[in-house]
Amino acid sequence: SYELTQPPSVSVSPGQTATITCSGEELPNKYAYWYQQKPGQAPLLVIQKDTERRPGIPERFSGSSSGTSVTLTITAVQAEDEADYHCQSADSRDVWVFGGGTKLTVL
Amino acid sequence: EVHLVESGGDLVQPGGSLRLSCAASGFNFSRFWMSWVRQAPGKGLEWVANIKPDGSEQTYGDSVKGRVIISRDNARNSVHLQMSSLRVEDTAVYYCARVGDGCLSSWGQGALVTVSS
Repeated sequence: SYELTQPPSVSVSPGQTATITCSGEELPNKYAYWYQQKPGQAPLLVIQKDTERRPGIPERFSGSSSGTSVTLTITAVQAEDEADYHCQSADSRDVWVFGGGTKLTVL
Repeated sequence: EVHLVESGGDLVQPGGSLRLSCAASGFNFSRFWMSWVRQAPGKGLEWVANIKPDGSEQTYGDSVKGRVIISRDNARNSVHLQMSSLRVEDTAVYYCARVGDGCLSSWGQGALVTVSS
């Protein structure tokens, strides 16, 4: 079955840039989406269609795509950005799939 | 404002059945695909099922196919997930979500399903 691969964890200091990657062989053909999930809360959609930031999401969040990978970038990371980040896309049959999630730690 | 509230989560024995419900408000429910997503304790998200606005089409994740049925009642602005032959590995928080252009644009707070003897 189709899989999206994310690093389990990423750590950055406040003010630095965090990059979280998501790789999958169908990503050149299917959009990817990014969700932020803080402890005890439901996920929140932050990036849609690879690069579009959702309304109300700070400008420091951005998405990019290159080949079989997509990347969530958070510039000038703040303590409040500490969360789990999940990518989501679909396979060739349009079956939805999530990556395993990445825990972002702000040191 | 979109509001989704799940209910029906419970402790159930392996092999048992359970029906989850999700009450929707704040948007034109009958015009949107709806979805269920689950998250096992300490794990990532797993897509479970989607249903078309008129209820005529459903899609399911491989791990639950044949054991769950997604349905909706547009008159009552609600979507349901009927689960049967439950396994320990089905233990999770189950989220109801509104589908928007290939993704999940709004989420409920989730309902906990625990499968244990």
